[in-house]
Amino acid sequence: NAGVTQTPKFQVLKTGQSMTLQCAQDMNHNSMYWYRQDPGMGLRLIYYSASEGTTDKGEVPNGYNVSRLNKREFSLRLESAAPSQTSVYFCASSSPSIWGADTQYFGPGTRLTVL
Amino acid sequence: DQQVKQNSPSLSVQEGRISILNCDYTNSMFDYFLWYKKYPAEGPTFLISISSIKDKNEDGRFTVFLNKSAKHLSLHIVPSQPGDSAVYFCAASVGGTASKLTFGTGTRLQVTL
Repeated sequence: NAGVTQTPKFQVLKTGQSMTLQCAQDMNHNSMYWYRQDPGMGLRLIYYSASEGTTDKGEVPNGYNVSRLNKREFSLRLESAAPSQTSVYFCASSSPSIWGADTQYFGPGTRLTVL
Repeated sequence: DQQVKQNSPSLSVQEGRISILNCDYTNSMFDYFLWYKKYPAEGPTFLISISSIKDKNEDGRFTVFLNKSAKHLSLHIVPSQPGDSAVYFCAASVGGTASKLTFGTGTRLQVTL
């Protein structure tokens, strides 16, 4: 049971390049999320998917696209990377719990640098 | 507009003493609150949560207090241990579940020997 996994762990891009960040969860959760974390700021929601087949914008969606490939996988794509997208990206998943506290489970993060 | 605020960027506490981390919010629609702990180069991990129908929730050394009228919550860690040294994030949501969390900026706790 790996929880939430993210690939790659690190990535350096040049301005204008594209890339896709991958995320997968094995907890059978319905909802998945992408956040970015910048110095001095909390985690900010980029996009989320409440269930397979649906996606919605979060607080900072500009410059990103997402795909909920199936229940397990949720990818984040940067079509034309900009230096302002240098950040640490976290994927998370959740499902409402009737037994314990409802929470989001986070992956280890992808550190992205755009030159 | 920062809806969840953690006004203390850092806190230093001696081992064995109480650590108190504070969080304020402005959105009165928030009804579910969580605390996460984050070590460097790792993702946040869930610590404890509280629903707006409660004013206190306890789990071992961790207690969260909620003051709805003041729109304030706090996390108490007693006794503090060196392994508690991390960044702590407060988060809030609407709808009573951990969907669409709004995070604070975090407080770095250092527990000294």
